[in-house]
Amino acid sequence: QLLLQESGPGLLKPSETLSLTCSVSGGSISSSSYYWAWIRQSPGEGLEWIGNIYYSGITYYNPSLKSRVTISVDTSKNQFSLKLSSVTAGDTAIYFCARREMAAMVAFDYWGQGTLVTVSA
Amino acid sequence: QSALTQPRSVSGSPGQSVTISCTRSSGDVADYHFVSWYQHHPGKAPKLLIFDVRERPSGVPHRFSGSMSGNAASLTISGLQAEDEADYYCSSYAGTIVFFGGGTKVTVL
Repeated sequence: QLLLQESGPGLLKPSETLSLTCSVSGGSISSSSYYWAWIRQSPGEGLEWIGNIYYSGITYYNPSLKSRVTISVDTSKNQFSLKLSSVTAGDTAIYFCARREMAAMVAFDYWGQGTLVTVSA
Repeated sequence: QSALTQPRSVSGSPGQSVTISCTRSSGDVADYHFVSWYQHHPGKAPKLLIFDVRERPSGVPHRFSGSMSGNAASLTISGLQAEDEADYYCSSYAGTIVFFGGGTKVTVL
């Protein structure tokens, strides 16, 4: 059973950089059939796709966040990470990591439980 | 504003059917591919219910079904059960960008 687990600081001040890691267990992050994604849910709002990364390092980002987002992958640790710079209160959200299956489903078939990140002075 | 529009809420009594629509805010739905649907109970990981418009992953009950007609995709929950009370999201992509709908809260009366 594939498991994804987000980790990182839960409280940031405005202008700081958000850094989260998603640890993948029960499967290899290096499989060619999957992208790995970050998705967030702001309080009272719906889901917002942040970006995807392939094990080779190819990335795709939400245009609305692209200038502040970096997603990276560490295949040796079976992890991928999110950095979001210059955070504001508007970046307060639950951040999920997920696997995007690309061979047959083209959907997010496994998700982490999510981690709450609060931006407050 | 989401590029995919869903009703904010729908409700039904146990045993009834409810349908959630997902429509493109602008443009042609044909530009959007591989519609999927997710169930989210707050505090838990979202769960994939439907992929490729109408396909169910193994383990998803048959009472969840997906369809598309014209410019709208739909998720129908037949034989509504108490545990179906949750938020539901549609998703698709255009080019390299993934979109989610704004979410629909399903209430079981």
